Amino acid sequence: GESVGLHLPTLSVQEGDNSIINCAYSNSASDYFIWYKQESGKGPQFIIDIRSNMDKRQGQRVTVLLNKTVKHLSLQIAATQPGDSAVYFCAENRGGSNYKLTFGKGTLLTVNP
Amino acid sequence: DTEVTQTPKHLVMGMTNKKSLKCEQHMGHRAMYWYKQKAKKPPELMFVYSYEKLSINESVPSRFSPECPNSSLLNLHLHALQPEDSALYLCASSQAGTGRGEAFFGQGTRLTVV
Repeated sequence: GESVGLHLPTLSVQEGDNSIINCAYSNSASDYFIWYKQESGKGPQFIIDIRSNMDKRQGQRVTVLLNKTVKHLSLQIAATQPGDSAVYFCAENRGGSNYKLTFGKGTLLTVNP
Repeated sequence: DTEVTQTPKHLVMGMTNKKSLKCEQHMGHRAMYWYKQKAKKPPELMFVYSYEKLSINESVPSRFSPECPNSSLLNLHLHALQPEDSALYLCASSQAGTGRGEAFFGQGTRLTVV
C-alpha cells in the first residue's frame, strides 16, 4: 500500500554538526509534506512544511528538500544542538482541505555533546 | 495561547470500565483530531472533526466514540476496551479548510487497559 517511510531509524551526530534526516514516500497526490519533532513524553511538534509544488524551503536552522522525481523528502538541521535530540517524523497531508496526516516511521536523532 | 490540553495524562482502566479522554484548545481552530500512538511507532489518525462535525473516521472500532461538544472541546469516550488498545492517545487541532498549516498536538493521554 501507499506509505511514507524513512531510510534510517537512528542517527547519532556530534553537537555542532549538521544533521540530515531522510524520508521516502510513495503517494504522489499529497498536497503538503511536513516534518514533526517528538521529544520523549511529549506530543509531536511542527517543524516545517513544504507544498508539493516546491522543492526547497528554509526555516530557522532547518531546511526541507523535496525531490518529486525520486519521491524523497529530507530535513537538514544546521549546527545540531543537544535540544534537537528527539524522534523526527515526516508526514504527508493527503486530506485536501482536511488536515489528514499520514506519518512515516520516524528517525531517532541523538546529539552527542 | 498555543496549547492543546489533554486530560488525564495517565489512565489505567479495566476492560469493563467506561472512561473519557478530554481535549481542549483556545486557538480558534475549527479542526480537531484524535490520533493513537503505540510505543516506537508513528501516530495513526483515528478521527477528524471539522466545524464540530465528524468528517473522517478511519474505521475505528465502535468501542471508541468521539464527541465534539463545541469548537474548543473534543472528547473520546472509551468502553469495553481491550489490552491491545493500550497506547498514547494524542489530540491535535488546526485551522480548518486549508489543508496546510501547523497542527498543534497535546502531550497525550497514556492509556493502559488491564
